[in-house]
Amino acid sequence: GAGVSQSPRYKVTKRGQDVTLRCDPISSHATLYWYQQALGQGPEFLTYFNYEAQPDKSGLPSDRFSAERPEGSISTLTIQRTEQRDSAMYRCASSPGLRNEQFFGPGTRLTVL
Amino acid sequence: AQSVTQLDSQVPVFEEAPVELRCNYSSSVSVYLFWYVQYPNQGLQLLLKYLSGSTLVESINGFEAEFNKSQTSFHLRKPSVHISDTAEYFCAVSRQGAQKLVFGQGTRLTINP
Repeated sequence: GAGVSQSPRYKVTKRGQDVTLRCDPISSHATLYWYQQALGQGPEFLTYFNYEAQPDKSGLPSDRFSAERPEGSISTLTIQRTEQRDSAMYRCASSPGLRNEQFFGPGTRLTVL
Repeated sequence: AQSVTQLDSQVPVFEEAPVELRCNYSSSVSVYLFWYVQYPNQGLQLLLKYLSGSTLVESINGFEAEFNKSQTSFHLRKPSVHISDTAEYFCAVSRQGAQKLVFGQGTRLTINP
């Protein structure tokens, strides 16, 4: 595609519900990243994929958070049993390979009531 | 671990005035440095980057940043700003050989006519 796309753009959910966010990277980009951005803060690294491998998930804040990229293209980020502190902008980025520029999507704003 | 400090959360300036957005980082190893910009209602876009070589790097829209290793700084400057430069600016660092970006808190640049 022309750029990184994310869906939904906005998600409102109730505490305790599960949510799944989707990222569609630039086609042929090998590497995909997830970041969480709280209001008034910079993005914070969650995890990344190199094709379908997930070498680093050190930034995932708890075991309620998980991410997949089963075919090395589209990725999903799932948050189970959401809590109010999970409210944030979730940003996805892709790059052609390791150590290249990261291209960011528009983000998904998650609000947990 | 790396960290980034953006000393100013908001910077108001008049149109055609010069501006400097400050960024300091800490790291015990060699790093790459980046400035990203987020225009209203858009995703993050790379403005400029320092990987190696000349310590002064420039963007296509007149911004420049200088890597100062002794002061661990990567301040962003523009000699004359335009209304269209209104945006939030994020400084970021990555360890050479690593994938994730570590962002500062962001600086909101407001241009007044």
